[in-house]
Amino acid sequence: QKEVEQDPGPLSVPEGAIVSLNCTYSNSAFQYFMWYRQYSRKGPELLMYTYSSGNKEDGRFTAQVDKSSKYISLFIRDSQPSDSATYLCAMVGSGTYKYIFGTGTRLKVLA
Amino acid sequence: NAGVTQTPKFQVLKTGQSMTLQCAQDMNHEYMSWYRQDPGMGLRLIHYSVGAGITDQGEVPNGYNVSRSTTEDFPLRLLSAAPSQTSVYFCASSYRYGTSGTQNIQYFGAGTRLSVL
Repeated sequence: QKEVEQDPGPLSVPEGAIVSLNCTYSNSAFQYFMWYRQYSRKGPELLMYTYSSGNKEDGRFTAQVDKSSKYISLFIRDSQPSDSATYLCAMVGSGTYKYIFGTGTRLKVLA
Repeated sequence: NAGVTQTPKFQVLKTGQSMTLQCAQDMNHEYMSWYRQDPGMGLRLIHYSVGAGITDQGEVPNGYNVSRSTTEDFPLRLLSAAPSQTSVYFCASSYRYGTSGTQNIQYFGAGTRLSVL
């Protein structure tokens, strides 16, 4: 079993839809949870960062962490064609540097 | 405001050739790492360094060497290229200890696309 599971997609949605992206994990030591966005032929760029459980909102993006269920989510409201990219979840424990990445979910927002 | 800079952007090698992928960061980050990204596999850690003179192996280190003589640079060496090393390589860096709750946020370079024939 992988430490982090992420549905690879692709996920196609119409412009303006609410998008939900998810990852599950097995290691209860993870404390920091990140979402990276990666456009085609580019490097991953940090989108959202959450420490421990709870929600964090930034504009159209909301990150949720449920440590009891070992489940994290990224919601994108009013999705735009410019949101079309691969979204990678990443996790790391406290006091360590070794990130564990999901395989990424490819999202396409149709105009 | 360069961030993490990787060179070259593209490279084609023949089996058995050696080469060095360059990575430099200007953020005074202690931690630097190399990943490879393959379809369906996500990002896999090759080697990492927590400071100048200190390196360690990640998940897939075989066939690669690293060294860290300065804080800024962290080159990745392919000793004898093999077709299985065809991939996209990313370098990333972060602070060693967090400030303002941003511990260990890694910043990535644009990547090097490598093909080994």
